[in-house]
Amino acid sequence: DTEVTQTPKHLVMGMTNKKSLKCEQHMGHRAMYWYKQKAKKPPELMFVYSYEKLSINESVPSRFSPECPNSSLLNLHLHALQPEDSALYLCASSQIKGRGQPQHFGDGTRLSIL
Amino acid sequence: QKEVEQNSGPLSVPEGAIASLNCTYSDRGSQSFFWYRQYSGKSPELIMFIYSNGDKEDGRFTAQLNKASQYVSLLIRDSQPSDSATYLCAVSPYGGATNKLIFGTGTLLAVQP
Repeated sequence: DTEVTQTPKHLVMGMTNKKSLKCEQHMGHRAMYWYKQKAKKPPELMFVYSYEKLSINESVPSRFSPECPNSSLLNLHLHALQPEDSALYLCASSQIKGRGQPQHFGDGTRLSIL
Repeated sequence: QKEVEQNSGPLSVPEGAIASLNCTYSDRGSQSFFWYRQYSGKSPELIMFIYSNGDKEDGRFTAQLNKASQYVSLLIRDSQPSDSATYLCAVSPYGGATNKLIFGTGTLLAVQP
């Protein structure tokens, strides 16, 4: 069982819809991440939150809007997405230490844009 | 541009054999190295991580790191059909609040019964 929980598992939405992806972890981690993964490709980093503050935005289009309400929760708000945004969206969390720490992934949300 | 290179495979091994997966990285200052296993349609699962030169063993898995050669490998002993998956090598050049993983493209492993 994964310790990072993502909801929903599947999401189908139209290009004009607004929806949100949710991620929750109870491992006491203070870093949380959003990744996008297309079929047969590695995960691509989108955002990093450290101590609930956005520390990395990998030039992601503004139709993706992250939010970190507290140290356990991470949201990704979606608006006016394009068909090419269809992908597996992964949340991960890790400790924060001097050198890079293992990231633990949730099961992902499979997003389809009609 | 920091890069992580892996042979995409497929790497085919018979059941019970040793599978050897390799990865090279470009940033000599990288500090942390990770192997993830990803089954088709599932999320990446952490298998091993290694920080220091040498070998690190966990059950049937051994991670090997050679920083001078900028090379990381994963050995899977007594390979099982259930090990068939894509193995992603990931490198973290930085720590702290910018703990960013750079992934290789993954190696598809097929263990033949």
